Amino acid sequence: DAGVIQSPRHEVTEMGQEVTLRCKPISGHDYLFWYRQTMMRGLELLIYFNNNVPIDDSGMPEDRFSAKMPNASFSTLKIQPSEPRDSAVYFCASSLIPGEGGELFFGEGSRLTVL
Amino acid sequence: AQSVTQLDSQVPVFEEAPVELRCNYSSSVSVYLFWYVQYPNQGLQLLLKYLSGSTLVKGINGFEAEFNKSQTSFHLRKPSVHISDTAEYFCAVSRVNNNDMRFGAGTRLTVKP
Repeated sequence: DAGVIQSPRHEVTEMGQEVTLRCKPISGHDYLFWYRQTMMRGLELLIYFNNNVPIDDSGMPEDRFSAKMPNASFSTLKIQPSEPRDSAVYFCASSLIPGEGGELFFGEGSRLTVL
Repeated sequence: AQSVTQLDSQVPVFEEAPVELRCNYSSSVSVYLFWYVQYPNQGLQLLLKYLSGSTLVKGINGFEAEFNKSQTSFHLRKPSVHISDTAEYFCAVSRVNNNDMRFGAGTRLTVKP
């Protein structure tokens, strides 16, 4: 398997623009997670899905952030409008059964810079 | 909810020396514990995990960790480090039968020649 695939790897945009980050999980994994990594706050869980349904979005910082999973092989994280404080590395991860000790498999991340 | 504290933000060490990266967790219920490694410009990779059973867990690249329930700790150790071990290390915890995993702030291990 190719692992978790994220795109784009790098995105530079201006404040106010819409940003869409994409993720393809490992085939067969029922859980998908979005994390944000910054120097100040470390790795934060934003939202996770089970079987394409959002289960916990309490980590989503504001209404400007939204995430969807239209099918088992694709998820998006959208920021609209973007702000400089959204600059971070966004990671997608997938897992089989995390509640039974299953590990998370991470993508390589999308580095977002908002000017 | 569960939480993780990594006690050292940076650990410099010379090549072939032993190293210990410290991790403490907090949870009111049983947990699973993990150590992940992140090399520059890459995602996180699993080093090892504790689910149950023996408290000493061995992982990849010669790393091991010991679960100590009374001290709520899960410290990572390696008896002799290599330059290639230079990376960021994350301790993580998830509650049994719960699906969200929480990560510590990370420890940057720098191995010097």
